[in-house]
Amino acid sequence: GQQVMQIPQYQHVQEGEDFTTYCNSSTTLSNIQWYKQRPGGHPVFLIQLVKSGEVKKQKRLTFQFGEAKKNSSLHITATQTTDVGTYFCAGFSSNDYKLSFGAGTTVTVRA
Amino acid sequence: NAGVMQNPRHLVRRRGQEARLRCSPMKGHSHVYWYRQLPEEGLKFMVYLQKENIIDESGMPKERFSAEFPKEGPSILRIQQVVRGDSAAYFCASSPGLELPDTQYFGPGTRLTVL
Repeated sequence: GQQVMQIPQYQHVQEGEDFTTYCNSSTTLSNIQWYKQRPGGHPVFLIQLVKSGEVKKQKRLTFQFGEAKKNSSLHITATQTTDVGTYFCAGFSSNDYKLSFGAGTTVTVRA
Repeated sequence: NAGVMQNPRHLVRRRGQEARLRCSPMKGHSHVYWYRQLPEEGLKFMVYLQKENIIDESGMPKERFSAEFPKEGPSILRIQQVVRGDSAAYFCASSPGLELPDTQYFGPGTRLTVL
């Protein structure tokens, strides 16, 4: 079955620094979605990428979908304490309804 | 416009008891999904339902677990004879079902603790 892997599992960042988290799928995805989950909270939808090579920005967050539609990345610039949480990527295979989640990247920020 | 609602938010059960988790989808959404999240892990798909129909239950254990989404009322995830390994956060998501794939909107979750 489809597997989605994320690295790194943990990311400790100095406030103000940039970092990137990566998502890789064992199969081609029809689209990929990113979610953020704060400690004790629930996953909150951030963005969806559909097209090969697509890049989308949300303020300090940049999301990219690979050309082969098997990988994706999230880059955060000038990290702030509000960025703390776990970031999950989740992918759909073609015309499917089941989101396959990666294990997430848990981000902590040093002030 | 209320989001996805789940109750209870926290549920404590002793081994062997039953757990009932409820999910009310967003207004206008007819598709419901249940996921389980173990500590420090991602979410694992359990079951996908539409009104009065189970579309896919491939992620749900064959025994002790059942789900329904009746014509009226919330979707229910039922766990019979709970064991310690059932302790987890259970999230429900809903989508409008207008096209595949859909954006799924998550509820706050029910955190089940089995003593």
